[in-house]
Amino acid sequence: DAKTTQPPSMDCAEGRAANLPCNHSTISGNEYVYWYRQIHSQGPQYIIHGLKNNETNEMASLIITEDRKSSTLILPHATLRDTAVYYCIVKGSARQLTFGSGTQLTVLP
Amino acid sequence: DAGVIQSPRHEVTEMGQEVTLRCKPISGHNSLFWYRQTMMRGLELLIYFNNNVPIDDSGMPEDRFSAKMPNASFSTLKIQPSEPRDSAVYFCASRKAGASTDTQYFGPGTRLTVL
Repeated sequence: DAKTTQPPSMDCAEGRAANLPCNHSTISGNEYVYWYRQIHSQGPQYIIHGLKNNETNEMASLIITEDRKSSTLILPHATLRDTAVYYCIVKGSARQLTFGSGTQLTVLP
Repeated sequence: DAGVIQSPRHEVTEMGQEVTLRCKPISGHNSLFWYRQTMMRGLELLIYFNNNVPIDDSGMPEDRFSAKMPNASFSTLKIQPSEPRDSAVYFCASRKAGASTDTQYFGPGTRLTVL
C-alpha cells in the first residue's frame, strides 16, 4: 500500500473550514484513500473514503486531485469537538489499514 | 446498535500476571481486528479474524500474546505473562460482512497498565 505524508499539526478557528492535506504520490490505481480520526482517549472513527471522485457525507468532504497524488479532507464548519488526530490512509489489496502518525487538528475558540 | 464493546475499560496488573481483554463486535460484522496503541509506536494491528478464523497474526509481538474468537460475537486477547512494556491502549474493531471497503468500527479501548 502507498505511504502517506501529513503535516503533524494544524490549527483552525471554530466555525471556519478545516482543510487537512495528505500526500500519497505513490498511490496506484486500485488504492482507496480513507480518512479516520481519533478524538483523545477514544477509538478511531471512520470519516470518509474515496477512489478518484470527490466525496461528501454528513461529516466531511474529500477532494482528490486528478492525478490522485494528493487529497484534502474538508470539515466545512469546524467545532471544538472536531479537535482530534486525523489519519489519511491509502489502502489497496492489503487486508488491513495501516495508521501513520496523522495530523493533530486543534480547533480554537 | 451498541457498537463495539470492550471490557474492561481499564486494567492495572502486576508484571507476570495473566491479562485477558474482551471484545464484542457489532452484530452482523464478520471481521474483527485487535490493535495496540502506544506513544512510541502509534496504532499497530496485532491480529485480525475473518469469520472467526485468524487470518493474519504477524503483528502479535511474541508468544506471550494470544487471541481467540470462539464465536461471531466474542473475542479475547490474552497476555501471559504480562510485562511493563505491554502497557498500552488496546482497541478492538469490527467490519461488516461483505463490505467492499475497509470501514472499521472501533471500540472504546482497554487501557492496560502493567506495573
